[in-house]
Amino acid sequence: GAVVSQHPSRVICKSGTSVKIECRSLDFQATTMFWYRQFPKKSLMLMATSNEGSKATYEQGVEKDKFLINHASLTLSTLTVTSAHPEDSSFYICSASDSPNYEQYFGPGTRLTVT
Amino acid sequence: DAKTTQPPSMDCAEGRAANLPCNHSTISGNEYVYWYRQIHSQGPQYIIHGLKNNETNEMASLIITEDRKSSTLILPHATLRDTAVYYCIVLNAGNMLTFGGGTRLMVKP
Repeated sequence: GAVVSQHPSRVICKSGTSVKIECRSLDFQATTMFWYRQFPKKSLMLMATSNEGSKATYEQGVEKDKFLINHASLTLSTLTVTSAHPEDSSFYICSASDSPNYEQYFGPGTRLTVT
Repeated sequence: DAKTTQPPSMDCAEGRAANLPCNHSTISGNEYVYWYRQIHSQGPQYIIHGLKNNETNEMASLIITEDRKSSTLILPHATLRDTAVYYCIVLNAGNMLTFGGGTRLMVKP
């Protein structure tokens, strides 16, 4: 099946710094990539959708200037958490889809801890 | 997208079939039923999806009622590694996946 990787799997950073998370589709071209956030014992919440070469579409309540998304190629999307604060600590998960197949393949997630 | 209702938790004995129900009474004719699962601290894993007919793959079977208002995911021989949160999602072509609370399945020895 399709494989999606994320890097890093775990990151700890200090408050005020920025963190970049990479999402790669390893064996298919992902025209659409999605970024989710999951707090402990909660379900996944969609943050934004990105299409290759286009600006990301953010869900209501997600600050686009704080969560920068770049989908520069068909196999790579990045999420940068700028000026991170402890409340940004969460499990960030990406997924990828090769439209028009609507199955989404998920990455293993990145656990961000902001101290 | 149609809203889904799932029991918050279920137990299943190892080796027995796990039957996970999902209600989606407001589903419309062109909406698919998708099932994903999430093992602790991992990304969700696609299991199966269907529109009208029952579906089976190497992981599970999906039984959709004739009126499409509910469905059941069947894991025929549950193992301890099937312990996870199972999400039933209904979506239209082009729509985003919206994760609800899911069912926390605990497979016990």
